[in-house]
Amino acid sequence: KQEVTQIPAALSVPEGENLVLNCSFTDSAIYNLQWFRQDPGKGLTSLLLIQSSQREQTSGRLNASLDKSSGRSTLYIAASQPGDSATYLCAVRGIQGAQKLVFGQGTRLTINP
Amino acid sequence: ETGVTQSPTHLIKTRGQQVTLRCSSQSGHNTVSWYQQALGQGPQFIFQYYREEENGRGNFPPRFSGLQFPNYSSELNVNALELDDSALYLCASSLSDSPNSPLHFGNGTRLTVT
Repeated sequence: KQEVTQIPAALSVPEGENLVLNCSFTDSAIYNLQWFRQDPGKGLTSLLLIQSSQREQTSGRLNASLDKSSGRSTLYIAASQPGDSATYLCAVRGIQGAQKLVFGQGTRLTINP
Repeated sequence: ETGVTQSPTHLIKTRGQQVTLRCSSQSGHNTVSWYQQALGQGPQFIFQYYREEENGRGNFPPRFSGLQFPNYSSELNVNALELDDSALYLCASSLSDSPNSPLHFGNGTRLTVT
Protein backbone atom coordinates (compact mmCIF):
# COMPACT_ATOMS: atom_id res chain seq x y z
CA LYS A 1 0.00 0.00 0.00
CA GLN A 2 1.43 3.37 -1.06
CA GLU A 3 2.07 5.83 1.74
CA VAL A 4 3.18 9.43 1.27
CA THR A 5 4.84 11.46 4.00
CA GLN A 6 5.64 15.16 4.05
CA ILE A 7 8.11 16.71 6.44
CA PRO A 8 7.92 19.16 8.09
CA ALA A 9 4.22 19.50 8.84
CA ALA A 10 4.68 23.26 9.22
CA LEU A 11 7.39 25.73 8.28
CA SER A 12 7.78 29.45 8.97
CA VAL A 13 10.52 31.47 7.26
CA PRO A 14 11.27 35.15 6.62
CA GLU A 15 10.53 36.64 3.24
CA GLY A 16 13.25 36.28 0.63
CA GLU A 17 14.61 32.95 1.80
CA ASN A 18 14.99 29.94 -0.44
CA LEU A 19 13.35 26.84 1.00
CA VAL A 20 12.84 23.15 0.37
CA LEU A 21 9.78 21.03 1.09
CA ASN A 22 10.16 17.27 1.29
CA CYS A 23 7.96 14.39 0.18
CA SER A 24 8.66 10.67 0.49
CA PHE A 25 6.72 7.68 -0.78
CA THR A 26 7.00 3.97 0.00
CA ASP A 27 6.37 2.34 -3.39
CA SER A 28 8.62 3.48 -6.23
CA ALA A 29 6.33 1.95 -8.89
CA ILE A 30 4.70 5.23 -9.89
CA TYR A 31 3.51 6.93 -13.05
CA ASN A 32 4.08 10.44 -11.77
CA LEU A 33 4.20 12.80 -8.80
CA GLN A 34 2.32 16.06 -8.58
CA TRP A 35 2.78 19.05 -6.27
CA PHE A 36 -0.25 21.14 -5.33
CA ARG A 37 -0.89 24.33 -3.42
CA GLN A 38 -3.94 24.77 -1.22
CA ASP A 39 -5.07 28.08 0.26
CA PRO A 40 -7.22 27.91 3.44
CA GLY A 41 -10.68 26.48 2.72
CA LYS A 42 -9.99 26.27 -1.00
CA GLY A 43 -9.36 23.61 -3.61
CA LEU A 44 -6.03 22.44 -4.95
CA THR A 45 -3.96 24.29 -7.52
CA SER A 46 -1.55 22.13 -9.49
CA LEU A 47 2.00 23.49 -9.42
CA LEU A 48 4.16 20.86 -11.10
CA LEU A 49 3.74 17.34 -12.49
CA ILE A 50 6.82 15.13 -12.82
CA GLN A 51 6.56 11.96 -14.87
CA SER A 52 8.39 8.91 -13.54
CA SER A 53 10.96 9.17 -16.35
CA GLN A 54 11.82 12.77 -15.44
CA ARG A 55 14.22 14.05 -12.79
CA GLU A 56 12.86 17.58 -12.36
CA GLN A 57 10.40 20.20 -13.51
CA THR A 58 10.59 23.97 -13.21
CA SER A 59 7.97 26.69 -13.24
CA GLY A 60 9.06 30.23 -12.39
CA ARG A 61 10.49 30.26 -8.86
CA LEU A 62 9.49 26.63 -8.28
CA ASN A 63 11.60 23.58 -8.99
CA ALA A 64 10.52 20.02 -8.20
CA SER A 65 12.85 17.05 -8.28
CA LEU A 66 12.08 13.34 -8.28
CA ASP A 67 14.30 10.47 -7.18
CA LYS A 68 12.06 7.51 -7.85
CA SER A 69 14.49 4.85 -6.68
CA SER A 70 14.80 6.39 -3.22
CA GLY A 71 11.13 7.38 -3.04
CA ARG A 72 11.77 11.09 -2.61
CA SER A 73 10.73 14.38 -4.11
CA THR A 74 11.58 17.95 -3.15
CA LEU A 75 9.90 21.23 -3.98
CA TYR A 76 12.34 24.14 -4.02
CA ILE A 77 10.91 27.66 -3.71
CA ALA A 78 13.31 30.48 -4.54
CA ALA A 79 13.10 33.99 -3.09
CA SER A 80 9.97 33.27 -1.04
CA GLN A 81 7.20 35.89 -0.84
CA PRO A 82 4.29 36.34 1.62
CA GLY A 83 1.94 35.28 -1.19
CA ASP A 84 3.59 31.84 -1.14
CA SER A 85 2.00 31.18 2.25
CA ALA A 86 -0.26 28.13 1.82
CA THR A 87 -0.33 24.38 2.38
CA TYR A 88 1.72 22.41 -0.12
CA LEU A 89 0.68 18.84 -0.90
CA CYS A 90 2.45 16.19 -2.88
CA ALA A 91 0.63 13.27 -4.44
CA VAL A 92 1.76 10.17 -6.31
CA ARG A 93 -0.06 8.12 -8.89
CA GLY A 94 1.01 4.53 -8.48
CA ILE A 95 1.08 1.84 -11.11
CA GLN A 96 -1.16 -0.17 -8.76
CA GLY A 97 -4.49 1.60 -8.44
CA ALA A 98 -3.62 4.10 -11.16
CA GLN A 99 -6.99 5.82 -10.98
CA LYS A 100 -6.15 7.57 -7.74
CA LEU A 101 -3.69 10.05 -6.36
CA VAL A 102 -2.25 9.20 -2.94
CA PHE A 103 -1.61 12.40 -1.00
CA GLY A 104 0.66 13.35 1.83
CA GLN A 105 -0.73 15.37 4.73
CA GLY A 106 0.86 18.55 3.48
CA THR A 107 3.33 21.16 4.72
CA ARG A 108 1.80 24.40 5.99
CA LEU A 109 4.13 27.19 4.88
CA THR A 110 4.14 30.69 6.35
CA ILE A 111 6.33 33.42 4.83
CA ASN A 112 6.82 36.31 7.24
CA PRO A 113 7.21 39.82 5.78
CA GLU B 1 -11.86 28.01 -20.60
CA THR B 2 -14.08 27.27 -17.60
CA GLY B 3 -12.46 25.39 -14.76
CA VAL B 4 -13.97 22.79 -12.45
CA THR B 5 -16.97 24.17 -10.58
CA GLN B 6 -18.63 22.61 -7.54
CA SER B 7 -21.92 23.35 -5.81
CA PRO B 8 -22.90 24.15 -3.20
CA THR B 9 -19.85 25.73 -1.55
CA HIS B 10 -21.08 25.01 1.96
CA LEU B 11 -23.70 22.65 3.36
CA ILE B 12 -24.93 21.74 6.83
CA LYS B 13 -26.78 18.46 7.33
CA THR B 14 -28.00 16.39 10.25
CA ARG B 15 -26.77 12.89 11.02
CA GLY B 16 -28.81 10.29 9.13
CA GLN B 17 -29.75 12.61 6.28
CA GLN B 18 -28.72 12.27 2.64
CA VAL B 19 -26.72 14.77 0.57
CA THR B 20 -25.94 15.35 -3.11
CA LEU B 21 -22.90 17.32 -4.22
CA ARG B 22 -22.42 18.47 -7.81
CA CYS B 23 -19.45 19.01 -10.07
CA SER B 24 -19.04 20.43 -13.56
CA SER B 25 -15.84 19.26 -15.18
CA GLN B 26 -13.47 21.46 -17.11
CA SER B 27 -14.34 21.85 -20.76
CA GLY B 28 -13.16 18.87 -22.82
CA HIS B 29 -12.51 16.66 -19.77
CA ASN B 30 -14.24 13.25 -19.71
CA THR B 31 -12.94 11.90 -16.40
CA VAL B 32 -14.05 13.00 -12.94
CA SER B 33 -12.68 11.98 -9.55
CA TRP B 34 -13.96 12.72 -6.07
CA TYR B 35 -11.85 13.15 -2.94
CA GLN B 36 -12.66 13.66 0.74
CA GLN B 37 -10.39 15.93 2.78
CA ALA B 38 -10.80 15.94 6.55
CA LEU B 39 -9.44 18.93 8.43
CA GLY B 40 -5.66 18.94 8.57
CA GLN B 41 -5.37 15.85 6.35
CA GLY B 42 -4.53 15.15 2.73
CA PRO B 43 -7.37 14.29 0.37
CA GLN B 44 -8.53 10.65 0.23
CA PHE B 45 -9.73 9.11 -3.05
CA ILE B 46 -13.42 8.18 -3.12
CA PHE B 47 -13.98 7.11 -6.75
CA GLN B 48 -13.43 7.98 -10.39
CA TYR B 49 -15.83 8.10 -13.32
CA TYR B 50 -14.83 7.76 -16.96
CA ARG B 51 -17.44 8.13 -19.69
CA GLU B 52 -20.29 7.60 -17.23
CA GLU B 53 -18.84 4.41 -15.68
CA GLU B 54 -17.17 4.04 -12.29
CA ASN B 55 -13.64 2.78 -13.00
CA GLY B 56 -11.97 2.96 -9.61
CA ARG B 57 -13.00 3.20 -5.98
CA GLY B 58 -11.22 3.89 -2.71
CA ASN B 59 -11.97 2.55 0.77
CA PHE B 60 -15.35 4.16 1.21
CA PRO B 61 -18.59 2.33 2.13
CA PRO B 62 -21.41 1.80 -0.38
CA ARG B 63 -23.39 4.70 1.09
CA PHE B 64 -21.00 6.86 -0.95
CA SER B 65 -22.20 6.65 -4.54
CA GLY B 66 -21.85 8.69 -7.68
CA LEU B 67 -23.04 9.42 -11.16
CA GLN B 68 -21.53 10.89 -14.26
CA PHE B 69 -23.77 12.40 -16.92
CA PRO B 70 -23.38 12.48 -20.73
CA ASN B 71 -21.97 16.03 -20.49
CA TYR B 72 -19.36 14.60 -18.04
CA SER B 73 -20.66 16.52 -15.05
CA SER B 74 -20.93 14.43 -11.90
CA GLU B 75 -22.72 13.97 -8.60
CA LEU B 76 -21.57 12.54 -5.30
CA ASN B 77 -24.32 11.14 -3.10
CA VAL B 78 -23.86 10.23 0.54
CA ASN B 79 -26.62 8.41 2.42
CA ALA B 80 -27.10 7.98 6.16
CA LEU B 81 -24.70 10.80 7.02
CA GLU B 82 -22.36 10.32 9.97
CA LEU B 83 -20.51 12.95 11.97
CA ASP B 84 -17.20 11.74 10.47
CA ASP B 85 -18.46 12.62 7.00
CA SER B 86 -17.82 16.27 7.85
CA ALA B 87 -15.07 17.29 5.42
CA LEU B 88 -14.18 19.23 2.30
CA TYR B 89 -15.28 17.26 -0.77
CA LEU B 90 -13.15 17.91 -3.81
CA CYS B 91 -13.96 17.12 -7.40
CA ALA B 92 -11.23 16.88 -10.04
CA SER B 93 -11.44 16.44 -13.77
CA SER B 94 -8.89 15.31 -16.32
CA LEU B 95 -8.64 15.13 -20.08
CA SER B 96 -8.75 11.36 -20.02
CA ASP B 97 -8.41 8.42 -17.65
CA SER B 98 -4.74 8.10 -18.59
CA PRO B 99 -2.58 8.07 -15.45
CA ASN B 100 -0.40 10.74 -17.07
CA SER B 101 -3.30 13.15 -17.44
CA PRO B 102 -3.05 15.90 -14.75
CA LEU B 103 -5.97 16.45 -12.41
CA HIS B 104 -7.61 19.88 -12.15
CA PHE B 105 -9.46 20.47 -8.89
CA GLY B 106 -12.47 22.58 -8.02
CA ASN B 107 -12.75 24.67 -4.85
CA GLY B 108 -14.69 21.98 -3.04
CA THR B 109 -17.88 21.70 -1.02
CA ARG B 110 -17.54 22.06 2.74
CA LEU B 111 -19.97 19.60 4.37
CA THR B 112 -20.74 19.84 8.06
CA VAL B 113 -22.75 17.05 9.70
CA THR B 114 -24.27 17.84 13.10
